Amino acid sequence: QQPVQSPQAVILREGEDAVINCSSSKALYSVHWYRQKHGEAPVFLMILLKGGEQKGHDKISASFNEKKQQSSLYLTASQLSYSGTYFCGVLNAGNNRKLIWGLGTSLAVNP
Amino acid sequence: EAGVAQSPRYKIIEKRQSVAFWCNPISGHATLYWYQQILGQGPKLLIQFQNNGVVDDSQLPKDRFSAERLKGVDSTLKIQPAKLEDSAVYLCASSLGHLNTEAFFGQGTRLTVV
Repeated sequence: QQPVQSPQAVILREGEDAVINCSSSKALYSVHWYRQKHGEAPVFLMILLKGGEQKGHDKISASFNEKKQQSSLYLTASQLSYSGTYFCGVLNAGNNRKLIWGLGTSLAVNP
Repeated sequence: EAGVAQSPRYKIIEKRQSVAFWCNPISGHATLYWYQQILGQGPKLLIQFQNNGVVDDSQLPKDRFSAERLKGVDSTLKIQPAKLEDSAVYLCASSLGHLNTEAFFGQGTRLTVV
């Protein structure tokens, strides 16, 4: 079951914050976040393994709400380099052999 | 550390022709993935290898797609015959372990079927 990402697209000014959500209709085992710049390969950001887990990477952090079957990616004080498409991939509980990716959220950070 | 190598970078073929993509994963990575990414969509897993065994190929159109992982290292993905809807970027990725480990992606092969 493909996770649903929202919003589909975001436009920010440098320094602004953004939140990208990833929701699943099935119980989640883990959530993976990747960023893909135009014409490039996806690059790993982080994996969240447990409900309630939060992780941070520079000014990008994420949380995992197991009850809500949702993960959120927080981009704080955005930089131009944050532009790209953000994908969440989920491993569903009970069928956790295969990562299923969302459609992505396009983020554009302007000066 | 060398990354995941893929070739070719671009390929244009006519429908009904065959094509093959090659991937050399990061040394020591046991898990290798082939993804298909259609423009504007997320990657879709085609096949996943653990060493030279297949872990998952449930979304591989087996009537036209085939893949092998030679001696648990390099891998090739073949399409025969190609259809217009196969136009996409084919991404190879590798990871040290299975499931919850970081995957490293190659630059991909952009296939255009005309």
